[in-house]
Amino acid sequence: DTEVTQTPKHLVMGMTNKKSLKCEQHMGHRAMYWYKQKAKKPPELMFVYSYEKLSINESVPSRFSPECPNSSLLNLHLHALQPEDSALYLCASSAPGQGRYNEQFFGPGTRLTVL
Amino acid sequence: GQQLNQSPQSMFIQEGEDVSMNCTSSSIFNTWLWYKQDPGEGPVLLIALYKAGELTSNGRLTAQFGITRKDSFLNISASIPSDVGIYFCAGQPPPGSGGSNYKLTFGKGTLLTVNP
Repeated sequence: DTEVTQTPKHLVMGMTNKKSLKCEQHMGHRAMYWYKQKAKKPPELMFVYSYEKLSINESVPSRFSPECPNSSLLNLHLHALQPEDSALYLCASSAPGQGRYNEQFFGPGTRLTVL
Repeated sequence: GQQLNQSPQSMFIQEGEDVSMNCTSSSIFNTWLWYKQDPGEGPVLLIALYKAGELTSNGRLTAQFGITRKDSFLNISASIPSDVGIYFCAGQPPPGSGGSNYKLTFGKGTLLTVNP
């Protein structure tokens, strides 16, 4: 299995809602990432988990809360978002410590719209 | 921080033509990656380069890691309509220069349009 899966594909939420994005990989990768991508822009790193511990937080607002329940799963909990948070949210994984650890594999993304 | 200059920003070509795009930096990189992204989808890794001077092919795609470690190019030969999309380069700087095992620096992308 060489796939990163993400659910849901699309999400529309109000500014007072609480929702979660989910990501799963079964490649045995021990690093997982959340990125935010605006239209026609490159992905922007938000969080990195390495061996299920938060390794990098790129000064992301607290209304975004990541969680890594186990080595295959990554969640992003959303609360009190703003319309400018509307974007494509991408999950990725890589295999740190192995020969080709820099190769990040992306999921299809969740298209988030905040009303 | 590290920055990548990716060019061209966009290309309009006829089916069957060859395509070339590149990324340059004022700083060295240890790794160069090339991704393709279709609309509404996540980036797909096309080619990874790890050694200066390395030339790697993946079907009609060929990429090279520049000998100075500050640039990389991607060529697509005999383009077809499904080559349409945004191509991103990404590099990983060496540790100690702001790099980490996890952070990639992305170029701004090249939008490729192929006319049948």
